[in-house]
Amino acid sequence: GENVEQHPSTLSVQEGDSAVIKCTYSDSASNYFPWYKQELGKRPQLIIDIRSNVGEKKDQRIAVTLNKTAKHFSLHITETQPEDSAVYFCAASSGDTGFQKLVFGTGTRLLVSP
Amino acid sequence: DAGVIQSPRHEVTEMGQEVTLRCKPISGHNSLFWYRQTMMRGLELLIYFNNNVPIDDSGMPEDRFSAKMPNASFSTLKIQPSEPRDSAVYFCASTSGPSRNQFGQGTRLTVV
Repeated sequence: GENVEQHPSTLSVQEGDSAVIKCTYSDSASNYFPWYKQELGKRPQLIIDIRSNVGEKKDQRIAVTLNKTAKHFSLHITETQPEDSAVYFCAASSGDTGFQKLVFGTGTRLLVSP
Repeated sequence: DAGVIQSPRHEVTEMGQEVTLRCKPISGHNSLFWYRQTMMRGLELLIYFNNNVPIDDSGMPEDRFSAKMPNASFSTLKIQPSEPRDSAVYFCASTSGPSRNQFGQGTRLTVV
């Protein structure tokens, strides 16, 4: 089955810096890669996702890149702000069953210091 | 749309007691997932349903755990008997085809 690895486990940056979180996956059939943000005590919330027919997607300060050959994808946050502090999870799914069964990475705790 | 609704939000129970967690998926979503989140193991998929039918329960840790989905708008996750190591946050999520998985607010379970 699918296995998703995520690095780093913790990341500390200064406000205004960029942050990059990387994930690798094992199943070459995976074709859907979402990223979730989870604030303390709250539910994971989808912030951006990408499908395998696209190499990059951007939404304001957040971007995701996908390298299908190397089987890795990354989350890029530019101009970080204190409110970006949270745990970020990547996930992968093959979606071949018609619905998105997600396998999650272990999470990255991002701390943005003012 | 109220989103995925879980109840209770918090549950404290004594070891050996039965615990039932409830989930109402988003209307129109035909897939439902139960996850468990702990610091040690992260987000683990326990079981998922498609059109009310359990598809894969390989993530259910033990026979003490069971889940049902009697109709499209309701699912339960039951632990009987509960143990302290079951303490975690349990999330329910729903989706439909290519749409994005949406999570409920979770149930924080503490077994003492």
